[in-house]
Amino acid sequence: SQTIHQWPATLVQPVGSPLSLECTVEGTSNPNLYWYRQAAGRGLQLLFYSVGIGQISSEVPQNLSASRPQDRQFILSSKKLLLSDSGFYLCAWCGQSNTEAFFGQGTRLTVV
Amino acid sequence: AQSVTQLDSQVPVFEEAPVELRCNYSSSVSVYLFWYVQYPNQGLQLLLKYLSGSTLVESINGFEAEFNKSQTSFHLRKPSVHISDTAEYFCAAVRTLGSQGNLIFGKGTKLSVKP
Repeated sequence: SQTIHQWPATLVQPVGSPLSLECTVEGTSNPNLYWYRQAAGRGLQLLFYSVGIGQISSEVPQNLSASRPQDRQFILSSKKLLLSDSGFYLCAWCGQSNTEAFFGQGTRLTVV
Repeated sequence: AQSVTQLDSQVPVFEEAPVELRCNYSSSVSVYLFWYVQYPNQGLQLLLKYLSGSTLVESINGFEAEFNKSQTSFHLRKPSVHISDTAEYFCAAVRTLGSQGNLIFGKGTKLSVKP
């Protein structure tokens, strides 16, 4: 069966520090991968999606970046965090039919 | 613009009362519709989905949603809620983007069930 792992679960980082959140998927190949951010009262905001290794599409301009070094690995990064980067980050994957998304447990990021 | 709109940000109800969480979608999105549920500090879990066929779809825990093409709606209902239904609910739709599709979400509705 397919599973998705996301870590860490919680993270407290100072302003200006770097960020690396990792997401891996097991039990499937060539998934579409997504990073969402959930801020209080603002629902889910799609940040990045990837349809294959090295293929990243950005939905929202910001100081975050994403990479997909392997088929089932998706990384969210930042060189310098801002206070506004605080939020709940969710990784998700869809099969090629794109008719259902499966989510990781999320990472609660607090920038202080 | 392609969008999914959840009309209520918060819905408080008493236990055993009926509830309806509203969702409307823009007609330009593909007609694959979903409801996800999120419990505190967790990821989203699929509650139910409409892909084709019967316009009324049901979940295993008593929720149902009806796809209404003429009203471009996919409202979620439950005839009698429990305390354990307290969570945030997200409506979503597949969006066509080039040759790929991905899900777009509404802003969510927080359901609070009170004793």
